[in-house]
Amino acid sequence: QVQLVQSGAEVKKPGASVKVSCKASGYSFSDYFMHWVRQAPGQGLEWVGWIDPTDGGSRYAHNFQGRVTLTRDTSINTVYMDLSRLTSDDTAIYYCGRSLRTSGSYYLGNWGQGTLVTVSS
Amino acid sequence: QSALTQPASVSGSPGQSITISCTGTSTDIGGYNYVSWYQQHPGKVPKLMIYDVTTRPSGVSNRFSGSKSGNTASLTISGLQAEDEADYYCSSYTGSNTLVVFGGGTKLTVL
Repeated sequence: QVQLVQSGAEVKKPGASVKVSCKASGYSFSDYFMHWVRQAPGQGLEWVGWIDPTDGGSRYAHNFQGRVTLTRDTSINTVYMDLSRLTSDDTAIYYCGRSLRTSGSYYLGNWGQGTLVTVSS
Repeated sequence: QSALTQPASVSGSPGQSITISCTGTSTDIGGYNYVSWYQQHPGKVPKLMIYDVTTRPSGVSNRFSGSKSGNTASLTISGLQAEDEADYYCSSYTGSNTLVVFGGGTKLTVL
């Protein structure tokens, strides 16, 4: 079965960077785009971006462009989200989510367990 | 402020039907048939309930249905059950760099 296992919670200071990993198993890693979505405490969902594991191509939401980088390591079926210049507004749970279908669909059919990133001085 | 507009809360009694609306623009909901709905119970991971406006993933109850008219999408839950109490988020593809936008979420209370 499809499994997405994310790295553990992080606490960072303002201005720092954070790198969250998402290890996939149970399917052909390169066949499905991986989305990242975040959820601030008590708030709604916000799309961060997606990556094509086949070639590493990525697209980022306007709000995150210049601060976020999505990468992947196909040898270990893992994708990474790197977010820089953190502020308190970046405190949130970050989820990775496999696209529902191959060829990059806009839906998250399977989700990781989430990684809490706390930004605090 | 979310790109898509949802009511903050809706409620219904067991057995009744409720509808959650999601209003966007011609550049998202109105322009494409790539609307989805997610259910999220407190402290849990979101779950895809509807995609391509009307399609239910395997395993999702047929009590959940989706529709769209113009710039507004809707999620209808019939035969409300206690387990349906959760937050619901709509989502749509957009034609911009921000490929996917979400609504602010609707809290469903089963009375």
